[in-house]
Amino acid sequence: QKEVEQDPGPLSVPEGAIVSLNCTYSNSAFQYFMWYRQYSRKGPELLMYTYSSGNKEDGRFTAQVDKSSKYISLFIRDSQPSDSATYLCAMIQTGANNLFFGTGTRLTVIP
Amino acid sequence: GAVVSQHPSRVICKSGTSVKIECRSLDFQATTMFWYRQFPKQSLMLMATSNEGSKATYEQGVEKDKFLINHASLTLSTLTVTSAHPEDSSFYICSARMDSTDTQYFGPGTRLTVL
Repeated sequence: QKEVEQDPGPLSVPEGAIVSLNCTYSNSAFQYFMWYRQYSRKGPELLMYTYSSGNKEDGRFTAQVDKSSKYISLFIRDSQPSDSATYLCAMIQTGANNLFFGTGTRLTVIP
Repeated sequence: GAVVSQHPSRVICKSGTSVKIECRSLDFQATTMFWYRQFPKQSLMLMATSNEGSKATYEQGVEKDKFLINHASLTLSTLTVTSAHPEDSSFYICSARMDSTDTQYFGPGTRLTVL
């Protein structure tokens, strides 16, 4: 079983839709959770960074962590064509070096 | 926001030559930097962890003599692909962990093509 599972998609939504992206994980020691956005042929860009359980909102983006279920989500409100990218979840244990990534979900927002 | 640069962004080389890729944290110090490899439509694969002033730690299956890593300062790490072969063609991405927050920021990547 992989440490982090993420549905690779692809996911296509109309402009303005609410997008829900999810990851599950197996290691209960993960404490820090991140979402990265990666455009084609570019490096990943950090979108959201949360510690432990709870919600965090930044503009149109909301990150949610449920440690009891080992489940994290990223919600995108009022999705735009410029949101079309691959979204990677990542997580790490306290004091550790290695980020564990999901496989990434390819999102296309159709105008 | 924190910026990490990589140079070059693209490189094409002949088989058997060596290629050096630089990774710089432009506006923060990074004692630890990471080198990843990414194949098309796949996630990032960690190759090695680079610590300033000490030897890099390589992941299982990554040849340390082939992928030479040097982290000589708190803002610069280099990856040298030695005696490159076509199977080394890939997208190489570095990240730098900001010392003050432990957050990792990624560079824009380097596309290596070995002919």
